[in-house]
Amino acid sequence: GESVGLHLPTLSVQEGDNSIINCAYSNSASDYFIWYKQESGKGPQFIIDIRSNMDKRQGQRVTVLLNKTVKHLSLQIAATQPGDSAVYFCAEKLNRDDKIIFGKGTRLHILP
Amino acid sequence: DAGVTQSPTHLIKTRGQQVTLRCSPKSGHDTVSWYQQALGQGPQFIFQYYEEEERQRGNFPDRFSGHQFPNYSSELNVNALLLGDSALYLCASSPGTFAPLHFGNGTRLTVT
Repeated sequence: GESVGLHLPTLSVQEGDNSIINCAYSNSASDYFIWYKQESGKGPQFIIDIRSNMDKRQGQRVTVLLNKTVKHLSLQIAATQPGDSAVYFCAEKLNRDDKIIFGKGTRLHILP
Repeated sequence: DAGVTQSPTHLIKTRGQQVTLRCSPKSGHDTVSWYQQALGQGPQFIFQYYEEEERQRGNFPDRFSGHQFPNYSSELNVNALLLGDSALYLCASSPGTFAPLHFGNGTRLTVT
């Protein structure tokens, strides 16, 4: 993936508000997409996934939207909590491939 | 039920040395993938092991090699270390190749 160095894009959200994190993926042939959350000092943690035959999927407090026309993925977090503070990565996978390709991360900062 | 465990958690090596990192997958998982995460970037795929064989490899030189054992645990070996090999090395396991990855907390390698 592309390097963003030490300066990750940051999204600051008031506690209790909804958060929307956006991601542009790279390969139009990708057919499986995943969002991961990475807290400081930990490995990435699976949040939610979606296959290319869907455009929306909901989990507990999270929703993923997929727009294949413009190769765009978004993660919506409802009622953001302090524990949501982390770096969020979108990732894509081709069905025939074993590897997952991670995008640029976004740091979510929760304001009290 | 333990998740993915990696050892050691931190390691400091000198340029030119060799290093071995270890990973035990989550119980019930037979597929192990290794990723390199430089500071401020998303993880990058190194390779994946299934049934003790390397199934797919990312864009990493031959200095990076691995092994999977009959109990599904895995090792990552890096020879002739370079300063640029300094990174967080993440192991991920899954019950097959088309399931979400479960990551360990990584080994932080520093090359001086």
